[in-house]
Amino acid sequence: NAGVTQTPKFQVLKTGQSMTLQCAQDMNHNSMYWYRQDPGMGLRLIYYSASEGTTDKGEVPNGYNVSRLNKREFSLRLESAAPSQTSVYFCATAVRGGNYGYTFGSGTRLTVV
Amino acid sequence: AQKITQTQPGMFVQEKEAVTLDCTYDTSDPSYGLFWYKQPSSGEMIFLIYQGSYDQQNATEGRYSLNFQKARKSANLVISASQLGDSAMYFCAMREGMTDKLIFGTGTRLQVFP
Repeated sequence: NAGVTQTPKFQVLKTGQSMTLQCAQDMNHNSMYWYRQDPGMGLRLIYYSASEGTTDKGEVPNGYNVSRLNKREFSLRLESAAPSQTSVYFCATAVRGGNYGYTFGSGTRLTVV
Repeated sequence: AQKITQTQPGMFVQEKEAVTLDCTYDTSDPSYGLFWYKQPSSGEMIFLIYQGSYDQQNATEGRYSLNFQKARKSANLVISASQLGDSAMYFCAMREGMTDKLIFGTGTRLQVFP
């Protein structure tokens, strides 16, 4: 099925551990995004990539790095996880400048203890 | 700077009634897009409706319509004939044309009661 696949769906990390959240799409979309969702704060943009080979910071980039490996894949890395990074992470994709909805993955629930 | 504001943390509406969810935005980019998403308790993000900054008419999609007032920088979502299944979080979002960056408001929790 066409769509956006995020892995893993759930993860528990200890403070200081590192991990990479994976996002892959088969929509042939140019733009990809990483968001975090916390209660009462909506979705906040961490990083985005308007095209293969480019990445830009969003609203809350500190503590994260990203890689746009190719057109299909956009990964988010936590080098040294902190409890403040406990959140639900969503990946999204879109046609650049498109006038229809963005496609979201099902989310990754991350807990840092 | 790009900004989206939703001032209603929660709203209640009776089944079959209409409800308006407020959204205001700020941007210096003349080309932008406005979106509304629904997030039920299951967590997925469901696209509802889109309005482009140059669109002359308000967008409509079934029971959803977007009341776009460009001079006031508002993009309110109107849900007509509310149903119990409309109970969810609703997010307003804006994409700037120059950067393609999409940002969200903090959301409004809508509860529909019988």
